[in-house]
Amino acid sequence: NAGVTQTPKFQVLKTGQSMTLQCAQDMNHNSMYWYRQDPGMGLRLIYYSASEGTTDKGEVPNGYNVSRLNKREFSLRLESAAPSQTSVYFCASRTGTPGDGYTFGSGTRLTVV
Amino acid sequence: EDQVTQSPEALRLQEGESSSLNCSYTVSGLRGLFWYRQDPGKGPEFLFTLYSAGEEKEKERLKATLTKKESFLHITAPKPEDSATYLCAVLIWNTGNQFYFGTGTSLTVIP
Repeated sequence: NAGVTQTPKFQVLKTGQSMTLQCAQDMNHNSMYWYRQDPGMGLRLIYYSASEGTTDKGEVPNGYNVSRLNKREFSLRLESAAPSQTSVYFCASRTGTPGDGYTFGSGTRLTVV
Repeated sequence: EDQVTQSPEALRLQEGESSSLNCSYTVSGLRGLFWYRQDPGKGPEFLFTLYSAGEEKEKERLKATLTKKESFLHITAPKPEDSATYLCAVLIWNTGNQFYFGTGTSLTVIP
């Protein structure tokens, strides 16, 4: 019963460095999402994948790229990290049925210095 | 512009003191309104989905209601373990899979 697993849990990057956040779900969900959560801003959608083989931009996609590797895995890449990308990142999945809520991972706390 | 606003930002209650949290929305074409609970250092946990005005859902001490402009999360006789941040989110027709979240209400229940 792992649900949604995110790695790493914490990361500190220097400005300009790159990294990939990993996400995997074991619930056979079709749709997967990446959100960032900042104080006073709420959760904002970065990218999502409605089904395997598709990805779409959300509200704040600039500076990020994603890969839907297979049905289970959805990764988020920061090519050149900036201090404005300091945030808590959450991966989520859902079945795709309109009434179903998200299952979220436990988050990655990223600091860019 | 579509908006989701939650109030109050923070709420402190004595154990057993019932209250309500508010989520107001101005969106075109509500497909569903969702409530989540988030504990510190964790991801949000799904609680309820409401689809249409007049609908109610209950889970233990929580009851969610929906009108055409807002949703309430009523907390009856809260316990310290109900302390968390409560988030609401809306799913709108013609936006694909994109949810819009409010900024949440931080609830603290004092023993």
